[in-house]
Amino acid sequence: DTGVSQDPRHKITKRGQNVTFRCDPISEHNRLYWYRQTLGQGPEFLTYFQNEAQLEKSRLLSDRFSAERPKGSFSTLEIQRTEQGDSAMYLCASSTPLRRTGAGPSGANVLTFGAGSRLTVL
Amino acid sequence: SQQGEEDPQALSIQEGENATMNCSYKTSINNLQWYRQNSGRGLVHLILIRSNEREKHSGRLRVTLDTSKKSSSLLITASRAADTASYFCATAVSNFGNEKLTFGTGTRLTIIP
Repeated sequence: DTGVSQDPRHKITKRGQNVTFRCDPISEHNRLYWYRQTLGQGPEFLTYFQNEAQLEKSRLLSDRFSAERPKGSFSTLEIQRTEQGDSAMYLCASSTPLRRTGAGPSGANVLTFGAGSRLTVL
Repeated sequence: SQQGEEDPQALSIQEGENATMNCSYKTSINNLQWYRQNSGRGLVHLILIRSNEREKHSGRLRVTLDTSKKSSSLLITASRAADTASYFCATAVSNFGNEKLTFGTGTRLTIIP
């Protein structure tokens, strides 16, 4: 397993265009998270899935944003009608259920992040 | 929204010195984690401390937690150039099994060779 993969790493688009990011989590992880990070700030939670179910969405996730995880494996994050304010790094992370963890002690949710997809909206 | 705030926002020290960064948070937590981020990359988990613990060690890292003050500190001893990165605290507020992590604003650490 090579960890969490994100594609593309960089995307430059014009305002108004749609963009889609893909995330492939660690295969045995059933939780998948999307975060957004702007320059000089910490990651901000967008949404998360347990298997194929989207269990929580942040108020940051406007109607222009949609995330899917159709088979409980990879996930996509689509942004429609992009705006300049959407320019950010979009980070994907995965983790195991609370009872079984990767790097952390039992009962804690430790996230493994991908390298991120940087979006620039012109 | 950010749950925590790191202090200082930026820190520059000479290689070999110790680096200390602090994190304050607002609500009761289940555990607190520290992550490192190299420029333009994803975050890497460093260490976790539970709400019933006061101190944890991992190699050159030492984390303390004071739940009464809602604060944590990360100490990196004998710093190396490779420690240059941004460091974020993240808190987990258990809510019926949902341990969503909320990250702070980060401390940018620069180690001067």
